[in-house]
Amino acid sequence: GENVEQHPSTLSVQEGDSAVIKCTYSDSASNYFPWYKQELGKRPQLIIDIRSNVGEKKDQRIAVTLNKTAKHFSLHITETQPEDSAVYFCAAGLGGSEKLVFGKGTKLTVNP
Amino acid sequence: GAVVSQHPSRVICKSGTSVKIECRSLDFQATTMFWYRQFPKQSLMLMATSNEGSKATYEQGVEKDKFLINHASLTLSTLTVTSAHPEDSSFYICSATLHHVGSGEQFFGPGTRLTVL
Repeated sequence: GENVEQHPSTLSVQEGDSAVIKCTYSDSASNYFPWYKQELGKRPQLIIDIRSNVGEKKDQRIAVTLNKTAKHFSLHITETQPEDSAVYFCAAGLGGSEKLVFGKGTKLTVNP
Repeated sequence: GAVVSQHPSRVICKSGTSVKIECRSLDFQATTMFWYRQFPKQSLMLMATSNEGSKATYEQGVEKDKFLINHASLTLSTLTVTSAHPEDSSFYICSATLHHVGSGEQFFGPGTRLTVL
């Protein structure tokens, strides 16, 4: 089955800096890669996703890149703000109504 | 749109009792609902996949007789934790995918904090 590795487990940056979180996956059939942000005690919220027919996607300060050959994808947050502080999870799956496998999460702290 | 609710948000029960958690898609029909368990400072661990009108598919290591799942309609799935024990204390979250839309995006409920005394 699918296995998703996520690094780093914790990341601390200064406000205004960029943050990068990386994930690798094992199943070459996976074609849907979402990123979720979860604040303490809250539900995960989708912040961006990418499908295998696209190499990069951007939404304002957030971007995701995908390298299908290497089976890795990354989340990039630019101009970080304190409110970006949260736990971020990557996931991989087949899309549609298929299940997602989640990485272990990255706790991002943005220091003012 | 695509709002998922869960009830209750918080429950405390005695060891040996059963607890039912409801997951509802409020403004859409959900082909599939998923149940996750999340321990403190850990990731979401998928427990089972629930399809309307059919038996749930459980992940390896999850006891189907302990965690009963019923998906009676396209908007409601329930998880019953039977004979709960303190080690079952966790944050239980459901999610749903849109019917007939193959995006893969999962919409999460707000979670249920279960504490077993």
